[in-house]
Amino acid sequence: NAGVTQTPKFQVLKTGQSMTLQCAQDMNHEYMSWYRQDPGMGLRLIHYSVGAGITDQGEVPNGYNVSRSTTEDFPLRLLSAAPSQTSVYFCASSLMTGRQPQHFGDGTRLSIL
Amino acid sequence: KNEVEQSPQNLTAQEGEFITINCSYSVGISALHWLQQHPGGGIVSLFMLSSGKKKHGRLIATINIQEKHSSLHITASHPRDSAVYICAARRDSNYQLIWGAGTKLIIKP
Repeated sequence: NAGVTQTPKFQVLKTGQSMTLQCAQDMNHEYMSWYRQDPGMGLRLIHYSVGAGITDQGEVPNGYNVSRSTTEDFPLRLLSAAPSQTSVYFCASSLMTGRQPQHFGDGTRLSIL
Repeated sequence: KNEVEQSPQNLTAQEGEFITINCSYSVGISALHWLQQHPGGGIVSLFMLSSGKKKHGRLIATINIQEKHSSLHITASHPRDSAVYICAARRDSNYQLIWGAGTKLIIKP
């Protein structure tokens, strides 16, 4: 099993560009989530999903969009990149909404110039 | 004040020392997670506990629900234990995780 796969690992964007961070899991997990990690701060929840077709906002959703058309995939879209979105992004999945250990992807380091 | 506070923020110790990392929280929780983030960035779940104590190898996690406090201990520390250790509290109202800022641990040989 691959676990949680995130792509790309690194990305540099210009302000105003859009892009999609990909996340896929092969463990049949219902719960998937996106976090951003900034220096000196804890992980902050951007969006999450409790199953295919169901998404909801987390703590810092502005500027990001998600969809969950299948159980396996949970892409994160940056609509119009801003320097404040420079961060490391992690995708995570688990069997239930936080009732099981979360499995993390390796992260995407994103820089917005 | 953050709902989950970790201390210390940074910790440097010599190989072999006993390590304690603390996590305090101010909300009602149903479980607490400890995770490890390696220098390469990957995050791995170490423990999930709702009461008492759990042990895995040289790692021990304890939680005191009444005092709203959890500790992660590392016995006979080794340079390979160098990492950021993160605690996350699972809120009992909506099951969302509230994350601590992490403790950066460096073990010197």
